[in-house]
Amino acid sequence: ETGVTQSPTHLIKTRGQQVTLRCSSQSGHNTVSWYQQALGQGPQFIFQYYREEENGRGNFPPRFSGLQFPNYSSELNVNALELDDSALYLCASSFQVTKNIQYFGAGTRLSVL
Amino acid sequence: GESVGLHLPTLSVQEGDNSIINCAYSNSASDYFIWYKQESGKGPQFIIDIRSNMDKRQGQRVTVLLNKTVKHLSLQIAATQPGDSAVYFCAENSHSNDYKLSFGAGTTVTVRA
Repeated sequence: ETGVTQSPTHLIKTRGQQVTLRCSSQSGHNTVSWYQQALGQGPQFIFQYYREEENGRGNFPPRFSGLQFPNYSSELNVNALELDDSALYLCASSFQVTKNIQYFGAGTRLSVL
Repeated sequence: GESVGLHLPTLSVQEGDNSIINCAYSNSASDYFIWYKQESGKGPQFIIDIRSNMDKRQGQRVTVLLNKTVKHLSLQIAATQPGDSAVYFCAENSHSNDYKLSFGAGTTVTVRA
């Protein structure tokens, strides 16, 4: 196990609603990245947080936003949910100096109806 | 644009045989590569990594080969076991975008008893 924990494990929302997903990083890791994994696809990078600021972003609209807290834990917020947002959302933690060596949590399965 | 892709979506292998999983990438700037294993209901698990200044790297029962000339890497699993059944992803990043990993679509490996 990586020590990266995510909550909740499963979530069902309806179109137009808002959702918050949470992640606790592995002990000592100060950088958190979020990925979206559609069924049968590889993970797609959403954004990365370091020192409570966004450190890089993928091709996702502004309704995808995040936060990082002083204890390095993180939240992913998605507003105005769309059916295509249904996916597994993965959080990965790392050290900033080796930010490309990322360790993943088990993910949150989001279903938008 | 950059892309990371796998040559075959599925691989069936007899228990005890060696497995070879292939991956092609198109970004010439990619300089770091990781193989991940994802079992059902879990997040991607780090297997082995390799930097672009290397051609080969070995781990426990796994070997990664990198051919920068043709932008290809492979993961070899020796003496494949039932526990090796999973989806395998190659991921890459480059020094200019070192905050994000770009994943391929994955290869599903099924081990036959």
